[in-house]
Amino acid sequence: DAKTTQPNSMESNEEEPVHLPCNHSTISGTDYIHWYRQLPSQGPEYVIHGLTSNVNNRMASLAIAEDRKSSTLILHRATLRDAAVYYCILTWQAGTALIFGKGTTLSVSS
Amino acid sequence: DAGVIQSPRHEVTEMGQEVTLRCKPISGHNSLFWYRQTMMRGLELLIYFNNNVPIDDSGMPEDRFSAKMPNASFSTLKIQPSEPRDSAVYFCASERGDTGELFFGEGSRLTVL
Repeated sequence: DAKTTQPNSMESNEEEPVHLPCNHSTISGTDYIHWYRQLPSQGPEYVIHGLTSNVNNRMASLAIAEDRKSSTLILHRATLRDAAVYYCILTWQAGTALIFGKGTTLSVSS
Repeated sequence: DAGVIQSPRHEVTEMGQEVTLRCKPISGHNSLFWYRQTMMRGLELLIYFNNNVPIDDSGMPEDRFSAKMPNASFSTLKIQPSEPRDSAVYFCASERGDTGELFFGEGSRLTVL
């Protein structure tokens, strides 16, 4: 399985944008890039996913590098509720399992 | 939709006892996954099913662990006999087929004394 590399932790202030990086230099052409987050004492929840083009939804934006070797999850205005562990995961198709790494622990200060 | 439903939410048992964790996936989702989370090892995939058939159980720690999915609306993860090192939060997730999005339950926190 292609692997991802994320910083262990990041800090942000409330209402500021947050850019969470993910490196996946061994990504294959059919790998989708998924982002999940896990709030304290909860199960992981889906944030966003993409293949080649940048993606936006109500939670976040996903910026994918042209060579697809890296991506960035963008939270446009961080809130205290966004404090969580963020996981960047590659998977090649629906019905295959997501393998979670250690993720990035995001702290948000008021 | 009620989401993925797991039971029990918390279980405390003694070493050697049998433990059964239950999961009801979201209706219409064809894939179901069991994960285990500990501080030391993070989130680990144990086993997953497609259309009720086990596809990959390579993450099941040992023969003490078994999982079944007798129908599309129910799955169990059984540990027999349980050991203290099995203490963890066990998550069940089901997958929306058209997007690949996983929906996780709230987890079952298992403590084996």
